[in-house]
Amino acid sequence: DTGVSQDPRHKITKRGQNVTFRCDPISEHNRLYWYRQTLGQGPEFLTYFQNEAQLEKSRLLSDRFSAERPKGSFSTLEIQRTEQGDSAMYLCASSLMEYQPQHFGDGTRLSIL
Amino acid sequence: GQQLNQSPQSMFIQEGEDVSMNCTSSSIFNTWLWYKQDPGEGPVLLIALYKAGELTSNGRLTAQFGITRKDSFLNISASIPSDVGIYFCAGQIIQGAQKLVFGQGTRLTINP
Repeated sequence: DTGVSQDPRHKITKRGQNVTFRCDPISEHNRLYWYRQTLGQGPEFLTYFQNEAQLEKSRLLSDRFSAERPKGSFSTLEIQRTEQGDSAMYLCASSLMEYQPQHFGDGTRLSIL
Repeated sequence: GQQLNQSPQSMFIQEGEDVSMNCTSSSIFNTWLWYKQDPGEGPVLLIALYKAGELTSNGRLTAQFGITRKDSFLNISASIPSDVGIYFCAGQIIQGAQKLVFGQGTRLTINP
């Protein structure tokens, strides 16, 4: 039973560049979440998908951020025109159905130069 | 927004000691979860609590869902070196996305 997989694990980029992260949830998990974690803090909710539908977005998700889950399986999170403040760990989680615990991947650590 | 107050922020203990940490909120949650995070990795689920007053164990770990639904605690008995890490509580909002709201974490350091 493979867990949540995220790629890449680390991304270093220059300010102003676009970046895209991928998340593969646990097989058959129809609920997928993105969270952001900065140093010394707990993860903060960004957005949620049920199957392919993006049903909720946090105010943290500015218009430079976009997320997709085109076939209800893997998801991508894109950040356009990256800024210094985007440096963080981006975590993906999935759950089998409502009221079930969320299981996290190991995240993508983004560093903006 | 909603926030969880987790304490203590850090703990320095001797191997073999018991550990206790807690989380409080101004809001009611329907589910409380405890996660452990090691450096460079994602949070790993330790215990999930679904009912007010529930006491659940997972090996040397015991957690309780407060009766007011606004707090939870986690105990670790007879700590061992691999218990080192950051422990997070999370409250789950039952509506909509059922997103998790996390505490600030408790960093556990163990002296052998």
